[in-house]
Amino acid sequence: QAQLVESGGGVVQPGGSLRLSCAASGFKFSIYGIHWVRQSPGKGLEWVAALSYNGGSTYYADSVKDRFTISRDNSNNVAYLQMSSLRSDDTAVYFCAKDWEQGLTLDSWGQGTLVAVSS
Amino acid sequence: AIRMTQSPSSLSASPGDRVTITCRASQDLRGYLAWYQQKPGQAPKLLIYKTSTLQSGVPSRFSGSVSGTDSTLTITSLQSEDFATYYCQQYWSYPLTFGGGTKVEIK
Repeated sequence: QAQLVESGGGVVQPGGSLRLSCAASGFKFSIYGIHWVRQSPGKGLEWVAALSYNGGSTYYADSVKDRFTISRDNSNNVAYLQMSSLRSDDTAVYFCAKDWEQGLTLDSWGQGTLVAVSS
Repeated sequence: AIRMTQSPSSLSASPGDRVTITCRASQDLRGYLAWYQQKPGQAPKLLIYKTSTLQSGVPSRFSGSVSGTDSTLTITSLQSEDFATYYCQQYWSYPLTFGGGTKVEIK
């Protein structure tokens, strides 16, 4: 069955950068889109970014556009979220998730990695 | 961006109760609406897609429907394992957007 494991979270100062990784296994990684969704402490879900199966198309929430970059390495079954110019309101648990044949719904999710932006 | 307004934000119910959660979209979604369940400390779990299609393994006490731009998640005969937070999500267009969530608590 599909498994997604995030890593790379931690504490970073405002204005800093961080790269999250999402390691995939148990499914054919190269044929599905990958998404990042975040959840601030005690708050709801916010979709952040998406990348098509072949990396040819990227999509971002306005709140992270021009600061975050999503990418993937299909040969190693891993996706990334490069985050820069981090702000306190970027503090959240970041989940990676995959879509599937039924459109842009997210049928498998990782356990999440916490990013805390604080001085 | 399509705005998703979910209500109520929380509710208290007893096991065996029927629960209804509503999500209003700012425009027609052509049925591209999903529901997720999230328990504390866990990732969300896909329950329903295309407004009313149950994901594999989801109990039949969960159902979805739509009337215009209002989508509804219904749980008949609430079970103890159903106490959680529920989110709607539109996937008609990017950016994908979620409702604010409904926390279902034990009365």
